[in-house]
Amino acid sequence: GAGVSQSPSNKVTEKGKDVELRCDPISGHTALYWYRQSLGQGLEFLIYFQGNSAPDKSGLPSDRFSAERTGESVSTLTIQRTQQEDSAVYLCASSPWSDGGGYTFGSGTRLTVV
Amino acid sequence: AQSVTQLGSHVSVSEGALVLLRCNYSSSVPPYLFWYVQYPNQGLQLLLKYTSAATLVKGINGFEAEFKKSETSFHLTKPSAHMSDAAEYFCAVSDRGGSNYKLTFGKGTLLTVNP
Repeated sequence: GAGVSQSPSNKVTEKGKDVELRCDPISGHTALYWYRQSLGQGLEFLIYFQGNSAPDKSGLPSDRFSAERTGESVSTLTIQRTQQEDSAVYLCASSPWSDGGGYTFGSGTRLTVV
Repeated sequence: AQSVTQLGSHVSVSEGALVLLRCNYSSSVPPYLFWYVQYPNQGLQLLLKYTSAATLVKGINGFEAEFKKSETSFHLTKPSAHMSDAAEYFCAVSDRGGSNYKLTFGKGTLLTVNP
């Protein structure tokens, strides 16, 4: 596609429920990143995928968070047993390999845990 | 570890005035530096990036930034502000390990443009 597509754009969930967020990167972009944006913490790195290499999961805040990517296509970020502090905007970005960090971001998924 | 400090969480200018948004970084290795802009309810858009070529970097929408190693700064400027420039601006530094260009962002500066 022309841009990075994220779905849903908004998600309201009850505390304790699991949620799954989806990211469709730009075709041909081998690198994919997830970030979280919240009022208190700003923009935080969560996880990085590059082709078939092992992902960099160093930013995941707890073991309730996990992410998968199939090859160089869609990625899903799953949050289990959601907590109120998980409320944030989750941003996905992609870039060509070795592009020096100039990503294209999606519009994000706004997650609200009630 | 790398870090970014953006001086001023909120900057207000008049339309037509100079825009100056300040960014200082710390890095143990030569950095890659970026400015992103975020409009309400949208994702981040890359304005410009410094990757060790020319120290004065020109970006989209008339913005430019100058890398000053001695001052560890990468301030963003625009000679004449437009109403459409009102947005939040983020400075970021790349924590490059191999091909992993994960970014460390500053807290952001909200730019208001007054008519």
